[in-house]
Amino acid sequence: NAGVTQTPKFQVLKTGQSMTLQCAQDMNHNSMYWYRQDPGMGLRLIYYSASEGTTDKGEVPNGYNVSRLNKREFSLRLESAAPSQTSVYFCASGGEASNQPQHFGDGTRLSIL
Amino acid sequence: EDKVVQSPLSLVVHEGDTVTLNCSYEVTNFRSLLWYKQEKKAPTFLFMLTSSGIEKKSGRLSSILDKKELFSILNITATQTGDSAVYLCAVEQAAGNKLTFGGGTRVLVKP
Repeated sequence: NAGVTQTPKFQVLKTGQSMTLQCAQDMNHNSMYWYRQDPGMGLRLIYYSASEGTTDKGEVPNGYNVSRLNKREFSLRLESAAPSQTSVYFCASGGEASNQPQHFGDGTRLSIL
Repeated sequence: EDKVVQSPLSLVVHEGDTVTLNCSYEVTNFRSLLWYKQEKKAPTFLFMLTSSGIEKKSGRLSSILDKKELFSILNITATQTGDSAVYLCAVEQAAGNKLTFGGGTRVLVKP
């Protein structure tokens, strides 16, 4: 019953450092997504992957890169972290068929000093 | 630009009250509207609405979509403290299955 698993749960970085957020799903979904959530702004789509081997930009892609490693795993990389990237990051999967909602992981709380 | 607006931003009620949350949208290539409940961690799925005028119901929660007027409401009757959460509305586009979220409504139910 794991669903969507994100690691790490918390991270503090200094400006300019790099890191990769990991996401894995065990529901055999083709589509996976990365969102960020800032206070009062709901969730905004950073990147998504409709299937293994494909990735596309969402609403706020600047400063991020992604890798769809295989069907299960979709990682988000910050090459040079900036304070504006302080946020809670959510990974999701699913939603590719009608009446199939996206399912979310528990999030990664990232602070950049 | 695609837009989803939720109201009110927040509300405080007492147990047993009824709550009505609003979601209006302007999105190209509409496919469906979804409601999620977010407590401390992951948003959890409540409803998906694709057809106008059809009510979806689960226990004390219900939701309806008006595709002509471009809005949806989520009702919670006989509220309990466990209903305290942020409720998120999202609209799904047909292309790429992308979700556009509203800012959420924070509901606090007091005993």
